[in-house]
Amino acid sequence: NAGVTQTPKFRILKIGQSMTLQCAQDMNHNYMYWYRQDPGMGLKLIYYSVGAGITDKGEVPNGYNVSRSTTEDFPLRLELAAPSQTSVYFCASSRVNTEAFFGQGTRLTVV
Amino acid sequence: AQSVAQPEDQVNVAEGNPLTVKCTYSVSGNPYLFWYVQYPNRGLQFLLKYITGDNLVKGSYGFEAEFNKSQTSFHLKKPSALVSDSALYFCAVRESGGYQKVTFGTGTKLQVIP
Repeated sequence: NAGVTQTPKFRILKIGQSMTLQCAQDMNHNYMYWYRQDPGMGLKLIYYSVGAGITDKGEVPNGYNVSRSTTEDFPLRLELAAPSQTSVYFCASSRVNTEAFFGQGTRLTVV
Repeated sequence: AQSVAQPEDQVNVAEGNPLTVKCTYSVSGNPYLFWYVQYPNRGLQFLLKYITGDNLVKGSYGFEAEFNKSQTSFHLKKPSALVSDSALYFCAVRESGGYQKVTFGTGTKLQVIP
């Protein structure tokens, strides 16, 4: 049982480049989330989804986009990378009213 | 809007002593509360949760947490700390309805001193 799988684990981007962070879960969870973790700042919610075709903004959505075409996948898109987007990104999924399961994270550096 | 506060950035405790990591929350409706642990360069791992029922909930690795509705608190506890418990601990609250957003605290670094 793979749980929540994030790819890539590490990435270095140049300012202005674009990339997609992949997230897939095999637990048939309806809810999926993207967080970013900055040192000393805890986790900030970027976007979340309550099911295929339904997404909504979290606390810090600017500079990001998401889509949820299937239950399993919830990719996060960075269109024009900026140094402020240097962070560790975590994807998570859950069922209703239960704990979330997290991926191992993607460490992104924008230079 | 819901929120979680972890008032201590770091907690130091001697090995074998009891530990407490504090958490208070604010949410409309019934709270769903969680504790997670994060080891270096890893994702978050679920420790325990309060949904309903007994105010004292038991979780993984000997941890427990006490839900106090009047004080809106959900403190994490362990009777005897281990060096291997040293990690970053996050408290989280989830909406009981709607889109069920999960909001995390800023985390508390637990350092267990041998």
